[in-house]
Amino acid sequence: GENVEQHPSTLSVQEGDSAVIKCTYSDSASNYFPWYKQELGKRPQLIIDIRSNVGEKKDQRIAVTLNKTAKHFSLHITETQPEDSAVYFCAASTGGRGSTLGRLYFGRGTQLTVWP
Amino acid sequence: DARVTQTPRHKVTEMGQEVTMRCQPILGHNTVFWYRQTMMQGLELLAYFRNRAPLDDSGMPKDRFSAEMPDATLATLKIQPSEPRDSAVYFCASGIGTVSQETQYFGPGTRLLVL
Repeated sequence: GENVEQHPSTLSVQEGDSAVIKCTYSDSASNYFPWYKQELGKRPQLIIDIRSNVGEKKDQRIAVTLNKTAKHFSLHITETQPEDSAVYFCAASTGGRGSTLGRLYFGRGTQLTVWP
Repeated sequence: DARVTQTPRHKVTEMGQEVTMRCQPILGHNTVFWYRQTMMQGLELLAYFRNRAPLDDSGMPKDRFSAEMPDATLATLKIQPSEPRDSAVYFCASGIGTVSQETQYFGPGTRLLVL
């Protein structure tokens, strides 16, 4: 099955700096890569996703890049704010074509702390 | 704003007791997932259903865990008998697979403590 590895496990940055979290996957058939943010005691919530036919996607201060050849994808957060502090999970899906939803394989998470 | 709901939100029980967790997926979603989250193992997929049919429950300890979808609006996860190592947060997630909608939406979770 798919194996997703995520680095670093913890990341501390100063407010206003950028943060980058990297993930690798093993199955070249994976075609959907979401990122979830989980605040303490809360549910994971999707913040951005990318499909295998796209190399980069941006949404305000967050962006995701995908390198299919190298089988890795990254989350970039610019101008970080204290409220960005949370655990971030990457995931990959090998299933799901058209009308079906495939299972997600999650990374172990990155605890991001943004210091004011 | 439609959301996945889960009950109970918290559960404290003694070892050996039966635990039942319930999930109401977002109306119209045809795929439901059960995850367990612990510090040691992260987010683990236990089982998932599509159109109420179980697709994969290989992540679940079969001897004590069972998952069902009695109808399209209810998914259940049962543990019998419960053990201290089952202490975790159990999340339900739902989604619908289309080209533009592959997102899984998570419920608030059930925080289970087995003493």
